[in-house]
Parts: sequence; C-alpha cells; structure tokens
Amino acid sequence: DAKTTQPPSMDCAEGRAANLPCNHSTISGNEYVYWYRQIHSQGPQYIIHGLKNNETNEMASLIITEDRKSSTLILPHATLRDTAVYYCIVRVGGSKSTFGDGTTLTVKP
Amino acid sequence: EAGVAQSPRYKIIEKRQSVAFWCNPISGHATLYWYQQILGQGPKLLIQFQNNGVVDDSQLPKDRFSAERLKGVDSTLKIQPAKLEDSAVYLCASSSGTSGSSYNEQFFGPGTRLTVL
Repeated sequence: DAKTTQPPSMDCAEGRAANLPCNHSTISGNEYVYWYRQIHSQGPQYIIHGLKNNETNEMASLIITEDRKSSTLILPHATLRDTAVYYCIVRVGGSKSTFGDGTTLTVKP
Repeated sequence: EAGVAQSPRYKIIEKRQSVAFWCNPISGHATLYWYQQILGQGPKLLIQFQNNGVVDDSQLPKDRFSAERLKGVDSTLKIQPAKLEDSAVYLCASSSGTSGSSYNEQFFGPGTRLTVL
C-alpha cells in the first residue's frame, strides 16, 4: 500500500498558484519526500524532493511541515501544460517508489 | 544525458501469446526498475535490479513474468503466456544510487503500452 494520501483531483486557474497537498503521517526519519508528475502517455517525471527543509527549483516549491507528516507541492504560476497526474512518494534512497493513485490536476484557461 | 530508452512503444497481442519488452537505462545507473501501470492507477513495482542482481521481485507474477538484466546494463521483461489483465503500460526506470544511499532520483522511460486481446 502507498504510504501517502492525496486528493484524487484538483482544478486550478491558469496563471494562479497550484497547491497540491500530501499526507504521509507514517514517514520514517530517513525517508525523503519525492514528487513526480505524469503527463498523458508519458512516464513519470521527477519534480522535486526534500527531507525536512523546504525546497525550491525551477519547476516548483516543496513545503514540508515541521513534523514531516505532510507536505505541499506549489506550482507558482500554473500553465495548461501543467495538467497532469501528480504523485507524492516517500522512500529511502535506492528503494522502490510505492505510488498511490495521485492527484489529477486540471489547469483551466 | 540520454534518458531511459524502451522498446517497443506499443504492442498488441492475443491472450496466451508471449511478449518481451526491452529497456536501456541511463549509462552508469546501477539500479533498474520495472513497473506495471494499469489504466487509472499509479505504477506498481514488478522487479528491482541492482547491477545484475534482483533486489525485490515480490510483486512479480513469477508463473508468467520473467526479467533479466545481463551484464548489469540492459534489461528485458517477458510475459508468457499473456492474459487479458496484463494489458497495461510497462515502465522502466533507473537510478544511480544503490540500496541504503541517502538519495537518488528515479528516471523513467516512456513506457510500452501492451494490449492483450
């Protein structure tokens, strides 16, 4: 079973920030939080990861709560091309990724 | 750097036939994964290799599925005989780290879409 829970779907207006939540209440101290997204007919694409500090890269920001039991992926200015299924995964390095069903984000004009 | 390559991209077979998928990971990546993704679901791990050894094959239906990674580079996944419920996308991924390493990112290939009629 997946170690994370995510809402099945979300909508976001184009140009606005998309905030995708993830609960991982049973996360272990050595497990990282990873976010991937999957655009239709493609393999999952890495977005960002973090251990306990907030992280930012050119694609997104990752906010991890102090107790590490939940996190939020932020797409600061969503575009239509950000429409995809977003997966939140917790894993230690070198281990498999256990995917849930993810959140389907639909960005609307 | 070149990504994970998979072939074929699409395959249609009849039930009880056999099929094989090929994966070429990113150069130098020690760990290779095969996932099965059924429509509407997240990917599910079938098997994980570290170099040419199997790390985890607990979810692999061994009566019909087999996989190998000769010389620790390319890998093939075979289904024999195929069933209707095997219709799915088969994803290959690779990562540079090994078990116990603090971090490593998985890179996924485009997948092979299998349809069993």
